[in-house]
Amino acid sequence: AQSVSQHNHHVILSEAASLELGCNYSYGGTVNLFWYVQYPGQHLQLLLKYFSGDPLVKGIKGFEAEFIKSKFSFNLRKPSVQWSDTAEYFCAVYRNYGGSQGNLIFGKGTKLSVKP
Amino acid sequence: NAGVTQTPKFQVLKTGQSMTLQCAQDMNHEYMSWYRQDPGMGLRLIHYSVGAGITDQGEVPNGYNVSRSTTEDFPLRLLSAAPSQTSVYFCASSRRRLKTSGREQETQYFGPGTRLLVL
Repeated sequence: AQSVSQHNHHVILSEAASLELGCNYSYGGTVNLFWYVQYPGQHLQLLLKYFSGDPLVKGIKGFEAEFIKSKFSFNLRKPSVQWSDTAEYFCAVYRNYGGSQGNLIFGKGTKLSVKP
Repeated sequence: NAGVTQTPKFQVLKTGQSMTLQCAQDMNHEYMSWYRQDPGMGLRLIHYSVGAGITDQGEVPNGYNVSRSTTEDFPLRLLSAAPSQTSVYFCASSRRRLKTSGREQETQYFGPGTRLLVL
């Protein structure tokens, strides 16, 4: 079945620690890739996206993600997390079905808790 | 632009009651969709629409109806609410994909969500 997998359900880090959240998808062909963030009590906001070109994508707030096509992965990274990064992070894959409208498929999310 | 708006923010229903969750966007987006968010399940697509008059089912459509009479509005109807429909509902919109090559801005913009409790 087509799916988006996020490896960790809950990650707990101390401030200034480095972060890497895993995301793998199971589709072949062309995909568009996204990371969304949901801060407590808020709606989803786009963190970064990949459509084509440079596989290393930089987003807002110091986040970046690397698309590795051979591994079907799009891992999210941040060199030094802050307490304000505490949130839930969702990886999503948009798959276009040969010209017709595709849909966005989400992973189950990873909760990040950053200890001050 | 107000972006994507949803009403109400919070609703409590009794089993068997009906209600409509409203969603509107002012960005002239053709594609609109409804997701439900449940703990440990991520976001799951309920229904979507690629334009006025066109709707289709997503991953979890049972118990929900939608219609799209205008580009701006995409209401989600619960005809007979069940406790299993207790969830947070998000509406989203994006530009419709064009049938031309090149980069497509398929970024979806999300509304603030509706928290629904069915007793």
